[in-house]
Amino acid sequence: DAKTTQPPSMDCAEGRAANLPCNHSTISGNEYVYWYRQIHSQGPQYIIHGLKNNETNEMASLIITEDRKSSTLILPHATLRDTAVYYCIAVNTGTASKLTFGTGTRLQVTL
Amino acid sequence: GAVVSQHPSWVICKSGTSVKIECRSLDFQATTMFWYRQFPKQSLMLMATSNEGSKATYEQGVEKDKFLINHASLTLSTLTVTSAHPEDSSFYICSAPDRAGETQYFGPGTRLLVL
Repeated sequence: DAKTTQPPSMDCAEGRAANLPCNHSTISGNEYVYWYRQIHSQGPQYIIHGLKNNETNEMASLIITEDRKSSTLILPHATLRDTAVYYCIAVNTGTASKLTFGTGTRLQVTL
Repeated sequence: GAVVSQHPSWVICKSGTSVKIECRSLDFQATTMFWYRQFPKQSLMLMATSNEGSKATYEQGVEKDKFLINHASLTLSTLTVTSAHPEDSSFYICSAPDRAGETQYFGPGTRLLVL
């Protein structure tokens, strides 16, 4: 699976959009980009995934660059409950592939 | 999304005892489940892949005789930490892929403290 690089930490004011970047410059054509988050002392929570098109669900939006070398997770209106470590993972799917977690981005949402 | 549960949510045991952790897929079947371990302030590390009806596959450096995995049914995998020692104290998390195999869902984790 392609290595991903994320900033170690970010701050965001409550109510503002949180934009979390991820670099995956060696991603292969059949690897999806997945985003998970882990709130303190809980198991990771699935957020969203995509291959090359932008995706949106009730939690977030995922913007993938045309060359697929990077992506951005957007939380449109961050709340204090969005404070967590966010992980970006590139992985093949369809065959129950194991996930390799990097260090992620610690997002701190403040008042 | 799919729901994965773990039991117990936390356990304290004496050094030398064995501890069993259960991972269940509540509303779907999973022929494969994954076990992770997370130490404080670190990321999740994959320990092993649990396969229903066959032997588990362990990651390099994980002792298969110490961390026994049994995947006896399509909804249950168990991890037994044998002869636990204080250095085994950690947060153990399981995951299972959904029916389509596209997305993995994680359990809430089990915190183990070995005294």
